[in-house]
Amino acid sequence: KNEVEQSPQNLTAQEGEFITINCSYSVGISALHWLQQHPGGGIVSLFMLSSGKKKHGRLIATINIQEKHSSLHITASHPRDSAVYICAAPRGGQNFVFGPGTRLSVLP
Amino acid sequence: DAGITQSPRHKVTETGTPVTLRCHQTENHRYMYWYRQDPGHGLRLIHYSYGVKDTDKGEVSDGYSVSRSKTEDFLLTLESATSSQTSVYFCAISDPLGHTEAFFGQGTRLTVV
Repeated sequence: KNEVEQSPQNLTAQEGEFITINCSYSVGISALHWLQQHPGGGIVSLFMLSSGKKKHGRLIATINIQEKHSSLHITASHPRDSAVYICAAPRGGQNFVFGPGTRLSVLP
Repeated sequence: DAGITQSPRHKVTETGTPVTLRCHQTENHRYMYWYRQDPGHGLRLIHYSYGVKDTDKGEVSDGYSVSRSKTEDFLLTLESATSSQTSVYFCAISDPLGHTEAFFGQGTRLTVV
């Protein structure tokens, strides 16, 4: 069992749809990160959260530390949201354990 | 945006040749990391540094070495490149406990033929 798991692995949505990507982890952590990677592009940090909820534009991230689960929501999805979304759990000195990523395609 | 750049962005090299990738940061960050990203494996840690001349191995360090002679530069060297080292390499800076935002370079696509 991987230390960080994501679901779904792949997701196709129509423009405007509400999207949810889930992350569950087995390591004990105090914070979780969500990253975004566009096709052929670099990796950008979206959120770092340790409790509750954070919102940035149309993106919302929630976390339940006790249940070891986090979700990333995208409201009113747009084709430019098409990317791979990665959750990452800190692992002390060796930095992060990364989830396998969720590949999102938003069709116009 | 955090100042972290990688060079080169793309490289094709022959099996058996040495290759050095450079990561340069302007954030004066103590911790720097090299990852490789492969289909089906996601991001995996190669080596990391916790200060000038202080480095340690990650989970996939075989065939790689690193050096950090200045705070701002972290070099990754493939002493004798093999086809299995064809990958996309990312450099990152972050707090080792993940308590602050992580910043990644744009990546280096390396092809070993």
